[in-house]
Amino acid sequence: QQQVKQSPQSLIVQKGGISIINCAYENTAFDYFPWYQQFPGKGPALLIAIRPDVSEKKEGRFTISFNKSAKQFSLHIMDSQPGDSATYFCAASSMNRDDKIIFGKGTRLHILP
Amino acid sequence: GAVVSQHPSWVICKSGTSVKIECRSLDFQATTMFWYRQFPKQSLMLMATSNEGSKATYEQGVEKDKFLINHASLTLSTLTVTSAHPEDSSFYICSARLNNEQFFGPGTRLTVL
Repeated sequence: QQQVKQSPQSLIVQKGGISIINCAYENTAFDYFPWYQQFPGKGPALLIAIRPDVSEKKEGRFTISFNKSAKQFSLHIMDSQPGDSATYFCAASSMNRDDKIIFGKGTRLHILP
Repeated sequence: GAVVSQHPSWVICKSGTSVKIECRSLDFQATTMFWYRQFPKQSLMLMATSNEGSKATYEQGVEKDKFLINHASLTLSTLTVTSAHPEDSSFYICSARLNNEQFFGPGTRLTVL
């Protein structure tokens, strides 16, 4: 119940295309869903996050779509660029309980130039 | 804002020696910090939660006598890998909590010969 399932494991997208990464969770107590971007040899960096009171959040080329009833959320990267090539982790936590963050297994994204 | 640093960024040591890794929140105070371990091409594995002024809470399967954590101030947590062995070689990442969000350090690459 504590798991966050992330797919695909790896993704190759043409430059200018849309990259889509999906995550699903079981624990209905989760109320904070961040996405992290990690480059090789670096720590993860918070990219964008959403709370379940909204169904979508957009920041620049990055959009989170959230489906509370299906317990699913996804990251869309519009106009994908080679510089977006990185590993992306979805995550979930229960902010009210001040809980630890549960990470997905990650998606290695490669944008073809 | 919300910058977390780690020192050193990489370290090589001989088997049997101890290694200390520092995690600092540079522009905010963090009562809670987290230590993660990441193997190549894998997700972050939470090792322990470090609370300022109290004992760390270790995840199941993490040896507290081997991975000593000290959170002596609101801006500094340290992880000491005692009697390091080659299997302890990994990428160690810390994070600090601010307003229910976690901000990650750049990581420390430990290689035990």
